[in-house]
Amino acid sequence: HLQESGSKLVRPPQTLSLTCAVSGDFVRSGSYSWSWIRQPPGKGLEWIGYIYYSGATYYNPSLKSRVTISLDKSNNQFSLNVTSVTAADTALYYCARGATMIDSWGQGTLVTVSS
Amino acid sequence: QSALTQPPSASGSPGQSVTISCTGTSSDIGDYDYVSWYQQEAGKAPKLIIFEVVKRPSGVPDRFSGSKSGNTASLTVSGLQAEDEADYYCSSYGGSENFVVFGGGTKLTVL
Repeated sequence: HLQESGSKLVRPPQTLSLTCAVSGDFVRSGSYSWSWIRQPPGKGLEWIGYIYYSGATYYNPSLKSRVTISLDKSNNQFSLNVTSVTAADTALYYCARGATMIDSWGQGTLVTVSS
Repeated sequence: QSALTQPPSASGSPGQSVTISCTGTSSDIGDYDYVSWYQQEAGKAPKLIIFEVVKRPSGVPDRFSGSKSGNTASLTVSGLQAEDEADYYCSSYGGSENFVVFGGGTKLTVL
């Protein structure tokens, strides 16, 4: 089970910050990677990036300069930061287990970027 | 613009079969057998229905099947049911530069 939390309204050009609490599994486990995906209202899915238990990260090239994903093994959670946000970053943000095969998704949290 | 190309819509009558295509390049679908398909019902999170081109997770009906030829992957839904009406997304491993790429999604309507 995955649950997103964090700021729901962000003013440009501030930083969007979200956390995904994981239960029923361990982010330190070497079995999975942990991903962030977003979906603008009425549009399709966009992969943001993922992190391995080792801390290695992989990002969407189009977002790489603004995105950081980190792991918090002690609290069994992982986080997303997106800097210098604009209205184009308004979306439903999902955390998920896996990368090329995502078998568990959070319910998603809507983040609105507006001044 | 999505990295993988899907038709925006597809439709079929109950009991019929529908196939949704997902076209990539030789750097993603054409080079790796890591194609997944997701079903997203209105207002819900996506659900994995096919992984590694042809495999079905436990609990997914065998009416859903996947295949791949060259740079194009396909999802076939046989024996269409009203509950299959949803958006469907493909994804693929995109290599060491793009990692994961998604299609733009296909809205499946059961007539």
